[in-house]
Amino acid sequence: EAGVTQFPSHSVIEKGQTVTLRCDPISGHDNLYWYRRVMGKEIKFLLHFVKESKQDESGMPNNRFLAERTGGTYSTLKVQPAELEDSGVYFCASSQEGRKYYGYTFGSGTRLTVV
Amino acid sequence: DAKTTQPPSMDCAEGRAANLPCNHSTISGNEYVYWYRQIHSQGPQYIIHGLKNNETNEMASLIITEDRKSSTLILPHATLRDTAVYYCIVRVAIDKLVFGAGTILRVKS
Repeated sequence: EAGVTQFPSHSVIEKGQTVTLRCDPISGHDNLYWYRRVMGKEIKFLLHFVKESKQDESGMPNNRFLAERTGGTYSTLKVQPAELEDSGVYFCASSQEGRKYYGYTFGSGTRLTVV
Repeated sequence: DAKTTQPPSMDCAEGRAANLPCNHSTISGNEYVYWYRQIHSQGPQYIIHGLKNNETNEMASLIITEDRKSSTLILPHATLRDTAVYYCIVRVAIDKLVFGAGTILRVKS
């Protein structure tokens, strides 16, 4: 099966601009997660979708971040306006309902650089 | 905050077993121990998980102490491709992983 796909793999934008990251989960996976690692820090949870609904968005840093999952398939994470501290690697992961205990499948991430 | 403590780095000779320790002294009775790894430039990869009993799969073995306060991940025959950051995670909530700093494992020829 195809894995979790994220694009772009890299993005360099200027402070104040808008960037949209996309994640395509494994087909049939109802659960979709966003995590990120900012420079020098640990990987942190951002939010969790079950199908198109936000189950937990407690990790979203502020209202400059907006995540959507229309139709319960792919998800987008928009950062508007981007700030320097948003630089890092953004990971998406997915899991099947009923098999969440068996671990998630992560994508390779999007490396975001804000200059 | 992460509920686990791991050594920052370890070295292992190629072909030998790599034993990665993890302390989780505050683990609760229904919390699972998970191991993930991150190879450079890739996303985290699930390895194995367990609750009380020792577990084995095609990638590794997980040994959990009887009091569940610590565990060891065993890669039976480490290869150069096993060089990665290994994360021991106590799953405090079913849908949220809390990553710590992990252990950098360097497999050397």
